[in-house]
Amino acid sequence: EPEVTQTPSHQVTQMGQEVILRCVPISNHLYFYWYRQILGQKVEFLVSFYNNEISEKSEIFDDQFSVERPDGSNFTLKIRSTKLEDSAMYFCASILDRSYGYTFGSGTRLTVV
Amino acid sequence: AQKITQTQPGMFVQEKEAVTLDCTYDTSDPSYGLFWYKQPSSGEMIFLIYQGSYDQQNATEGRYSLNFQKARKSANLVISASQLGDSAMYFCAMSNMKTSYDKVIFGPGTSLSVIP
Repeated sequence: EPEVTQTPSHQVTQMGQEVILRCVPISNHLYFYWYRQILGQKVEFLVSFYNNEISEKSEIFDDQFSVERPDGSNFTLKIRSTKLEDSAMYFCASILDRSYGYTFGSGTRLTVV
Repeated sequence: AQKITQTQPGMFVQEKEAVTLDCTYDTSDPSYGLFWYKQPSSGEMIFLIYQGSYDQQNATEGRYSLNFQKARKSANLVISASQLGDSAMYFCAMSNMKTSYDKVIFGPGTSLSVIP
């Protein structure tokens, strides 16, 4: 069964450093998303991406965040200067049709120290 | 604004019994979709079941069924014949249908523990 692939599975970074989280959505999916889940808490929407541009972003997605689809297969989330409170599980998701559900990757656990 | 409420932070069920996980939602849009996801301790988000707001019948997928009561704005998940592997966090989620790419938003989740 097709899946959304995220790398790395776990990343530890120093506060103030830049990180790039990578995702390969399912090849025929058209809409892409990033979510985050702080440990034990709610899954929060960050940004949606369609047709090579951001279609919606949340209040969390400030100037420190950016997304890119550089080569037609990868979908990346960049955090320019990480803060301690950015520590969370970050999920990438993609969708073709809602009746099949949003397909989530297995997540990247980001730890900022 | 959309909102999902899951009032049961934790639930216990005996193996082989059925369990109902509650979900209520709020939206002003007439067209929306409702989802349930399972998150085991390993962390991945697994899609279980989908219900469209205009679907006449309640959705079913194997041991999962969605008890959709539109007037009450509830979308409860029923798991029949619980198994030990059903122990996980369960999230109710909703997406409006204004555009093809509307995001899905999640409720706070219910932690289900299946007891042998």
